[in-house]
Amino acid sequence: AQSVTQLGSHVSVSEGALVLLRCNYSSSVPPYLFWYVQYPNQGLQLLLKYTSAATLVKGINGFEAEFKKSETSFHLTKPSAHMSDAAEYFCAVPKGDYKLSFGAGTTVTVRA
Amino acid sequence: DADVTQTPRNRITKTGKRIMLECSQTKGHDRMYWYRQDPGLGLRLIYYSFDVKDINKGEISDGYSVSRQAQAKFSLSLESAIPNQTALYFCATSDIGTPYNEQFFGPGTRLTVL
Repeated sequence: AQSVTQLGSHVSVSEGALVLLRCNYSSSVPPYLFWYVQYPNQGLQLLLKYTSAATLVKGINGFEAEFKKSETSFHLTKPSAHMSDAAEYFCAVPKGDYKLSFGAGTTVTVRA
Repeated sequence: DADVTQTPRNRITKTGKRIMLECSQTKGHDRMYWYRQDPGLGLRLIYYSFDVKDINKGEISDGYSVSRQAQAKFSLSLESAIPNQTALYFCATSDIGTPYNEQFFGPGTRLTVL
């Protein structure tokens, strides 16, 4: 069954610095991949999704992710971190039967 | 108004008590899900329902039960709460018409079992 692994449970970046969050998927190429964001005291919201249409996917708030089949990866990046990017980020992949399998999450802290 | 609402938002209870967490949605989606979130474990699926007459166990259903009272309502019960059920609980919905399983989440219920 499909699953995802997020490397690094915590990432700390300076304001204005690059944000890079890593996600690798298992086994076969998934038809879809997602990044969700959870701001403090809120539910998860969709940041972006890969649907096989394009390997570079742009999302909300300046985030983007690139699907790399050769590396089985779907890393999330943002060129310049903002204080409002402090949140927990989850990578997810469909797991048959209209379910999602989530990674363990990466908490981003932004230093002033 | 929020599309997916959960009540209560916070609850502290004692071991052995029965607890019900409620979820309502105005998105008109058929599919509804209950997850629990624990630090370092991400979200794990407890139960899911594809319509009013359909209930399915997820990865970690032991100790939980659910009821789908209507298309818009899906409640989660802990029959006899225990401390390791302390977690953040999320309800989510998805549309039967979407080709991929994008889910929409409620704000969560923080449950503490003493």
